[in-house]
Amino acid sequence: AQKITQTQPGMFVQEKEAVTLDCTYDTSDQSYGLFWYKQPSSGEMIFLIYQGSYDEQNATEGRYSLNFQKARKSANLVISASQLGDSAMCFCAMTFEGGSGNTGKLIFGQGTTLQVKP
Amino acid sequence: NAGVMQNPRHLVRRRGQEARLRCSPMKGHSHVYWYRQLPEEGLKFMVYLQKENIIDESGMPKERFSAEFPKEGPSILRIQQVVRGDSAAYFCASSSTTGTEAFFGQGTRLTVV
Repeated sequence: AQKITQTQPGMFVQEKEAVTLDCTYDTSDQSYGLFWYKQPSSGEMIFLIYQGSYDEQNATEGRYSLNFQKARKSANLVISASQLGDSAMCFCAMTFEGGSGNTGKLIFGQGTTLQVKP
Repeated sequence: NAGVMQNPRHLVRRRGQEARLRCSPMKGHSHVYWYRQLPEEGLKFMVYLQKENIIDESGMPKERFSAEFPKEGPSILRIQQVVRGDSAAYFCASSSTTGTEAFFGQGTRLTVV
């Protein structure tokens, strides 16, 4: 069965510094997608970045990059130059092939609470 | 281009009542997903629908919960005879194709009193 593990319940980072949020996953599928979302205190889910399992280059989206290490089954999120507005619960998630092809169903980790200090 | 619209944003129901949660996907999106988030937890998949079809309901509780996505109108998540344990945030997401980015609505916070 597929599983996402986020081992950091909470992380603190100083404004303007970089931070890495850890995510490991478990799947026997060859084709899968890895996502990061953030959920600020207002409650909405905001997409940050996506990495496909066949993508050879690490994904980047502005200040966000995904450190994809396929052999280690890790998909860590790196946020450079943290901003106060980055404070949120951050979730790692994945989609997978399964028996019926990739249905787009997301499996989420437990989340990491990121707090950016001024 | 409006995003995924969920209503109501907040819903209070007494034990035993019915809760109806609505989700209008983004324009052009035919894939709809419902997730539940209990306090201090991640989102858990409930059901995946396409127009008039339930594709995967492996995360739906066996009783009291149902979902539909009719040909016309929003997707509906229906919870009959609600209990306190149903109190949670319910999120809807939509995508244009499977496996690509899913866009989330703002969620419906259900409180059962």
